[in-house]
Amino acid sequence: EAQVTQNPRYLITVTGKKLTVTCSQNMNHEYMSWYRQDPGLGLRQIYYSMNVEVTDKGDVPEGYKVSRKEKRNFPLILESPSPNQTSLYFCASSPRDYNSPLHFGNGTRLTVT
Amino acid sequence: DAKTTQPNSMESNEEEPVHLPCNHSTISGTDYIHWYRQLPSQGPEYVIHGLTSNVNNRMASLAIAEDRKSSTLILHRATLRDAAVYYCILRDVRVSGGYNKLIFGAGTRLAVHP
Repeated sequence: EAQVTQNPRYLITVTGKKLTVTCSQNMNHEYMSWYRQDPGLGLRQIYYSMNVEVTDKGDVPEGYKVSRKEKRNFPLILESPSPNQTSLYFCASSPRDYNSPLHFGNGTRLTVT
Repeated sequence: DAKTTQPNSMESNEEEPVHLPCNHSTISGTDYIHWYRQLPSQGPEYVIHGLTSNVNNRMASLAIAEDRKSSTLILHRATLRDAAVYYCILRDVRVSGGYNKLIFGAGTRLAVHP
């Protein structure tokens, strides 16, 4: 089944403890992206990647890192999480053809205390 | 970056048509108009997209204004399962970097009444 898989689904951590949220897609998509969703603010793009080893900042990249060493994986790294990064995170992918839709994962709910 | 404006919320009765508007007055010639919806506790899912002409698929229809500064997502017969947040976004087709900042905004929350 074609899908975008995020792990974990839920994560509770403390301020300053490094964490990684994984994202994997099995559709051979070139484009991948991370979003955060907060009440009243909709989805805001954190980082995106056009292909392996190519990443760029979205609208809210501060406090986050990403890497794209393999085509299928696009992990989101929080080196020193803070409470304002408590949010619902979504990963998405699509073919490089921008006439194609985005496929989203089911989300990761992160709480930083 | 071109942005979209949508009403915060709309209501409909079951089996009636729903017209969800979106304004994108700063749209560029290379922007596709995409619509997604997000059901409770799920990630967004694709609904429909278009460039200039009206589009139909099994889920909905997309009506695009002649000047492309607005569009309307049409659900022909709303069902309770259509209750969701609907997002209208612009996706630039240019390949070069910097043109894939997809701005979702807050979307329109659609309530469907039995």
